[in-house]
Amino acid sequence: QVQLQESGPGLVKPSETLSLTCTVSGGSISRYFWSWIRQPPGKGLEWIGYIYHTGSTNYNPSLKSRVTVSVDTSKNQFSLKVNSVTAADTAVYYCARLNGDYPGYAFDIWGQGTMVTVSS
Amino acid sequence: SFELTQPPSVSVSPGQTASITCSGDKLGDKYACWYQQRPGQSPVLVVCQDNKRPSGIPDRFSGSNSGNTVTLTISGTQAVDESDYYCQAWDSSTGVFGTGTKVTVL
Repeated sequence: QVQLQESGPGLVKPSETLSLTCTVSGGSISRYFWSWIRQPPGKGLEWIGYIYHTGSTNYNPSLKSRVTVSVDTSKNQFSLKVNSVTAADTAVYYCARLNGDYPGYAFDIWGQGTMVTVSS
Repeated sequence: SFELTQPPSVSVSPGQTASITCSGDKLGDKYACWYQQRPGQSPVLVVCQDNKRPSGIPDRFSGSNSGNTVTLTISGTQAVDESDYYCQAWDSSTGVFGTGTKVTVL
């Protein structure tokens, strides 16, 4: 079955760029949308953005100026970059599959999540 | 901006029915789903408003949509259902999650 795995640094300095990669295994990255979601410690979920295998993207307006999501179909991976990070970007970052088999799209498969701390 | 509001907590006795609401402006015009998150784990899709569930999710989880409120109903609640639950919908292609509800099985 399809599995997702996040990878990347667990510690990022303030003002630098957070970079994460999600590797899709057990299935092709084509056909579906792929998304990033984050959760600050002790808080709720926040949608960051999604990408289609063609490279088409859509971002949360509150983060749009600092976020880039990209896809590498040859590696079955998609990635997240968040620029100019601050302590407020400290969170568990999840990658997830966005399935259009549901009428309004649903996040039906999630990665295990990776904790990213912004600190000097 | 579009917001989804949930009660912070719901308590239920084992075997009873738990209902969790999620309200938002014109939510009845959108499609909402529910996610369960156990402590220290990733969220899991449990049901959407039309009762569409992923394989492996028990049918004691059901979803409905009426007016500006969507409801997650857990029938015959079990101790394993004690988790945080989040609703989620799309507003003009922007994903929005609810504030989250902690379900306690007493």
